[in-house]
Amino acid sequence: DGGITQSPKYLFRKEGQNVTLSCEQNLNHDAMYWYRQDPGQGLRLIYYSQIVNDFQKGDIAEGYSVSREKKESFPLTVTSAQKNPTAFYLCASSFGLAGGYEQYFGPGTRLTVT
Amino acid sequence: AQKVTQAQTEISVVEKEDVTLDCVYETRDTTYYLFWYKQPPSGELVFLIRRNSFDEQNEISGRYSWNFQKSTSSFNFTITASQVVDSAVYFCALSEAQRGGSEKLVFGKGTKLTVNP
Repeated sequence: DGGITQSPKYLFRKEGQNVTLSCEQNLNHDAMYWYRQDPGQGLRLIYYSQIVNDFQKGDIAEGYSVSREKKESFPLTVTSAQKNPTAFYLCASSFGLAGGYEQYFGPGTRLTVT
Repeated sequence: AQKVTQAQTEISVVEKEDVTLDCVYETRDTTYYLFWYKQPPSGELVFLIRRNSFDEQNEISGRYSWNFQKSTSSFNFTITASQVVDSAVYFCALSEAQRGGSEKLVFGKGTKLTVNP
């Protein structure tokens, strides 16, 4: 089955530690995205990538980093510089970054930092 | 800047009632796309519909229907004869053009719909 995989579903970390969230897709999509969702809020864009080895900052990129070494994979690292890392993180992909393509979402990772 | 407003934070209905979720958007683009997504308690967003700015025809899919009106910058979503399984958070989103031709989605804050048996 085609889709987007995010692991793990729940992640717990101590403050000051970096943590990497994985995102894999087998939809053959070129574009991939990372969003953050806080309670009662919409989704806010962290980073996005149109092609391998290229990515752009979204609206709230500070304290996060990404890589895009393979078309299928777009891992997100939450660094210790992110002031409020506890949130629900969603990865998405689409055929392209233009033309109004719908985005398909993974199941999300709920990160708790204490 | 582009913006999406979902004024209804939470709605509660009884099963079989009809319910309309409102979405108002702001954009300066002449070409844009509007979307609705459903987020059930499991957390994963599910794509429901995409509409481009040149197509104002209403759309119906089973119990779901969408009313797009450019004159009022609205893209409202109606569920007919609601069911408990419709309970979820629903997001309206607008594509926003970026420099270089790419686009990104701007999401509203969502409307939490609870359908009670």
